[in-house]
Amino acid sequence: QVQLVQSGAEVKKPGSSVKISCKASGGVFSRYGISWVRQAPGQGLEWMGGILPIFGTENYAQKFQGRVSITADESTSTAYMELSRLRSEDSALYYCAFTTAAGTGYHDYWGQGTLITVSS
Amino acid sequence: QSVLTQPPSVSGAPGQRVTISCTGNSSNIGAAYDVHWYQHIPGTVPKLLIYSNVNRPSGVPDRFSGSKSGTSASLAITGLQAEDEADYYCQSYDNSLTASVFGGGTKLTVL
Repeated sequence: QVQLVQSGAEVKKPGSSVKISCKASGGVFSRYGISWVRQAPGQGLEWMGGILPIFGTENYAQKFQGRVSITADESTSTAYMELSRLRSEDSALYYCAFTTAAGTGYHDYWGQGTLITVSS
Repeated sequence: QSVLTQPPSVSGAPGQRVTISCTGNSSNIGAAYDVHWYQHIPGTVPKLLIYSNVNRPSGVPDRFSGSKSGTSASLAITGLQAEDEADYYCQSYDNSLTASVFGGGTKLTVL
């Protein structure tokens, strides 16, 4: 059973960056696919990007390319998502989501969510 | 606007059957990529409901079922219960976007 614990809520200024962590326990971290999904107020789920630590490969949604970076530290079983050049529209609840079945793409474990508020 | 189209809302009375559609195109569902479904009750974490088109994770009642045909997929819920009131999302992969995508979500109201 995999458990995911994300870092706490943050308030950021427009134009700044935020880095959220997602620490995993249980399972074999390096074998999992790790994605980040966000939900803005009143909006649906939005896939931002993902990483496969075992291959060191990343993939980002076109909307976020150039602004997002997803990394994974296997030594601490922690994934990170950094989003730069923040704007008010980035205010959202951000989830890490793991895929434990290789090559499938579905997210069977989710972090509790991290609320990011972008405000001047 | 997502490449996977879902109805914004559906409703049904307790005990009834409802279906939620997820319509894609030849770059995603029609390209034989699997469809997954999630239940999201506001204030909680999204929950995997159906994976790889038709499979239920352990613990998901058999009242929930998935199907896929051509460029569309569907989630069916039978014997509606008040606790089923939630937002439901489909997910697949799109090879023109080279990214995973979610549908816009469907709000299920149990009357």
